[in-house]
Amino acid sequence: RKEVEQDPGPFNVPEGATVAFNCTYSNSASQSFFWYRQDCRKEPKLLMSVYSSGNEDGRFTAQLNRASQYISLLIRDSKLSDSATYLCVVRTGTASKLTFGTGTRLQVTL
Amino acid sequence: NAGVTQTPKFRILKIGQSMTLQCTQDMNHNYMYWYRQDPGMGLKLIYYSVGAGITDKGEVPNGYNVSRSTTEDFPLRLELAAPSQTSVYFCASSYSGTGSEQYFGPGTRLTVT
Repeated sequence: RKEVEQDPGPFNVPEGATVAFNCTYSNSASQSFFWYRQDCRKEPKLLMSVYSSGNEDGRFTAQLNRASQYISLLIRDSKLSDSATYLCVVRTGTASKLTFGTGTRLQVTL
Repeated sequence: NAGVTQTPKFRILKIGQSMTLQCTQDMNHNYMYWYRQDPGMGLKLIYYSVGAGITDKGEVPNGYNVSRSTTEDFPLRLELAAPSQTSVYFCASSYSGTGSEQYFGPGTRLTVT
C-alpha cells in the first residue's frame, strides 16, 4: 500500500463549480499534513496546511480525519487559474521529511 | 530574496558521465532537501540536511552524493549516470524540521542517454 494515495484524475470541471479531492495516508503516526499545488513543469508550492479542526483559506477548505486517515481539499467557485496538480503531503517523524502523493490533476474549463 | 535557485535548468548526460546539480538558498534555512520526480510519480526524497556539515539519506539515495559545507549551498552529485536517473530534480529548503513550509527551487530536468 502506498504511504499517500490520491486519485490521479483528471478532474474536469466548469468554472464556478465546487470540486473536492481526497487523499489517504497509511501511517497512523503521521504528524503534519499539507496540500501543495504544482503547475505544469513547475515546482510545488504550499497551498495550505491541514489542521485537525479543519481550516479555510478563501475558496479553499481542508479537512483532516485522523480516525479514517484521510485528508480532503474542497475548492469552491473554481477559477481557470486553479488548473494544476494538487499534491497531498504528509510528514512523519522528524527532520520535516515529507511524503508526497502522486497528485490529482484539476482542469477548470470555460 | 531569490529564494531557492538551481542550476542548470536542463542537462543531457551520457551513460557513465558524472555531474553536480547546484542548489543555493538565501533564506538562511537550516534544512535542505533533494527530491526527484518521475513522470506520474510523487516526489521522492534523495538526501536531506539539517544544517551545515550534516547530511542524511532519504528514500532513494543510491547513485547520488551530497555535501553541505555552508548553510546556503547543497549540491547533489551524480556519479556514473544511468538512464534510471532521468528525472526532474528539485531542491528545497525549510526553516525548521517540524511542519514548516518547504520552499522549492525551479528544478533541473536531467536526461541520461
